[in-house]
Amino acid sequence: QVQLVQSGAEVKKPGASVKVSCKASGYSFTGYYIHWVRQAPGQGLEWMGWVNPDSGDTNYAQKFQGRVTMARDTSSRTAYMELSRLRSDDTAVYYCARGFSLPSDHWGQGTLVTVSS
Amino acid sequence: DIVMTQSPDSLAVSLGERATINCKSSQSVLYSSNNKNYLAWYQQKPGQPPKLLIYWASTRQSGVPDRFSGSGSGTDFTLTISSLQAEDVAVYYCQQYDTLPLTFGGGTRVEIK
Repeated sequence: QVQLVQSGAEVKKPGASVKVSCKASGYSFTGYYIHWVRQAPGQGLEWMGWVNPDSGDTNYAQKFQGRVTMARDTSSRTAYMELSRLRSDDTAVYYCARGFSLPSDHWGQGTLVTVSS
Repeated sequence: DIVMTQSPDSLAVSLGERATINCKSSQSVLYSSNNKNYLAWYQQKPGQPPKLLIYWASTRQSGVPDRFSGSGSGTDFTLTISSLQAEDVAVYYCQQYDTLPLTFGGGTRVEIK
């Protein structure tokens, strides 16, 4: 069955970077984009960007340009999202989700990133 | 960016009654070449990731109960739960996938009256 398993919770200080992983199984990894979506505590969903596991191409929301890097490792079927220069308002649950021409039908379990001094 | 506006923010419905959620996009998400609306609905329960319910505005995802239905075109869309069940208590989000950046509505919380 399709599974996206994310890395565990992180606590970071302001100004630091965080890297979240998303390991895919049960489907053709290169056949679907991996999207990253975040959700601040008690808030709605915010799309951050996607990585194309086949080509490595990326597309980032303008809000995160310059601070986010999305990548993939096809040998391990894993996608990564790194966010730098963390601020307190980056505290959120970060989700990976697969999608291509259709919206995301499978999501990771989420990774809580807490930014606190 | 396409702004997605949901209403109401929350609603309380009796078990077995109908729940209706609205979603309005700031520009049309109807793609004329294929006549498809690039609009999805998700359900999110506490502590869980979103679950895809509806895509192409009205196509139910596999395994989704038929009490969930989507309608609308262009800029105005509706998610209807025809007979609310206890397990439907959740927050519901609409999303447009027509244009990058992908954008979500603010969410509608559905509770039992």
